[in-house]
Amino acid sequence: GAGVSQSPSNKVTEKGKDVELRCDPISGHTALYWYRQRLGQGLEFLIYFQGNSAPDKSGLPSDRFSAERTGESVSTLTIQRTQQEDSAVYLCASSPQGQGLYGYTFGSGTRLTVV
Amino acid sequence: GEDVEQSLFLSVREGDSSVINCTYTDSSSTYLYWYKQEPGAGLQLLTYIFSNMDMKQDQRLTVLLNKKDKHLSLRIADTQTGDSAIYFCAESNTGKLIFGQGTTLQVKP
Repeated sequence: GAGVSQSPSNKVTEKGKDVELRCDPISGHTALYWYRQRLGQGLEFLIYFQGNSAPDKSGLPSDRFSAERTGESVSTLTIQRTQQEDSAVYLCASSPQGQGLYGYTFGSGTRLTVV
Repeated sequence: GEDVEQSLFLSVREGDSSVINCTYTDSSSTYLYWYKQEPGAGLQLLTYIFSNMDMKQDQRLTVLLNKKDKHLSLRIADTQTGDSAIYFCAESNTGKLIFGQGTTLQVKP
């Protein structure tokens, strides 16, 4: 597609439920990133996929968070047993390669609200 | 670990210059970026600079890099109301970007 597509754009869930967020990167982009942005805060790195290499999961805040990516296409971020502090905008980005040279192209994000 | 710091708020009058500052801790940063986030919108890459440069100019935008002090700044000349947004500084070395908290730029008419 022309840009990075994320779905859903908004998600309201009850505390304790699992949620799955989806990211479609730009075709041909080998690198894919997930970030979290809490209200009024900066971007917090979560996880980074680069081609077939093992993902960099160093930013995942707890074992309730996991992410998968199929080859160089779609990625899903799963949050199990959601808590209110998980409420945030989850941003996905992709880039042609993992060296940061071209910067990233961000999606519009998924706004997650845990009630 | 890596850290990027920015002041949180800047207010200027339309037509003035804005200077947004950023400091970072990773001395091996390869690229440094400025992103713009408008209300309800995603992040837009404004400009970037390689760590072996000390200045880059792109129309109304001037980026200055002081590698010794690990200080990056973004100057916006002739600031317009449409420049009102949150500006994020970011650095990259290992492929992932580390972002600052963002500086909210308020432009008064």
